[in-house]
Amino acid sequence: KAGVTQTPRYLIKTRGQQVTLSCSPISGHRSVSWYQQTPGQGLQFLFEYFSETQRNKGNFPGRFSGRQFSNSRSEMNVSTLELGDSALYLCASSLGGQGLNEQFFGPGTRLTVL
Amino acid sequence: AQSVTQLGSHVSVSEGALVLLRCNYSSSVPPYLFWYVQYPNQGLQLLLKYTTGATLVKGINGFEAEFKKSETSFHLTKPSAHMSDAAEYFCAVSPNTGGFKTIFGAGTRLFVKA
Repeated sequence: KAGVTQTPRYLIKTRGQQVTLSCSPISGHRSVSWYQQTPGQGLQFLFEYFSETQRNKGNFPGRFSGRQFSNSRSEMNVSTLELGDSALYLCASSLGGQGLNEQFFGPGTRLTVL
Repeated sequence: AQSVTQLGSHVSVSEGALVLLRCNYSSSVPPYLFWYVQYPNQGLQLLLKYTTGATLVKGINGFEAEFKKSETSFHLTKPSAHMSDAAEYFCAVSPNTGGFKTIFGAGTRLFVKA
């Protein structure tokens, strides 16, 4: 069974631009969560999608948004990029539904904002 | 509100020695607790989790953790360290209120000396 895939793996953008990151969950998984990892702030939860609906949300500004498609693939968008958005963005998928099933993480997308 | 504190950003042990990584949490609702490991340039891998039931949880690669509600702790141990255990370890908590809203600790980097 293929794992969680994230594209692209590396991305360089400039301030003010916007970016879209993609995450394909493990087949059959309906929950996708996004995390931001930086040396200064560590791992921070962005949001979780389940069955195309945002189920949980972290404390990030509205510039960070996401969506989930009917095939459970998810995208995350960051608008008006700032230098501080440089980070490793991790996506995790799980079966979802009742209970807290194991999350499987992708390798991440490393975003550099210049 | 939930939070996780990992004591010690760096821990160094000799090969064959006991590994002890400390984690304390705070949560206003009964939490689910996790330990993850991250190897360089990779995503996170679940080592073990506590949801309900037995407070001593066994995970992969010989790791285990004990949930102590009175101490609000969830320390990770391994009787004998191996060189391949060198990695960064994250303790995490998520509320048992549906879905994922995982809060991660700052991480502890484990060094294993030959």
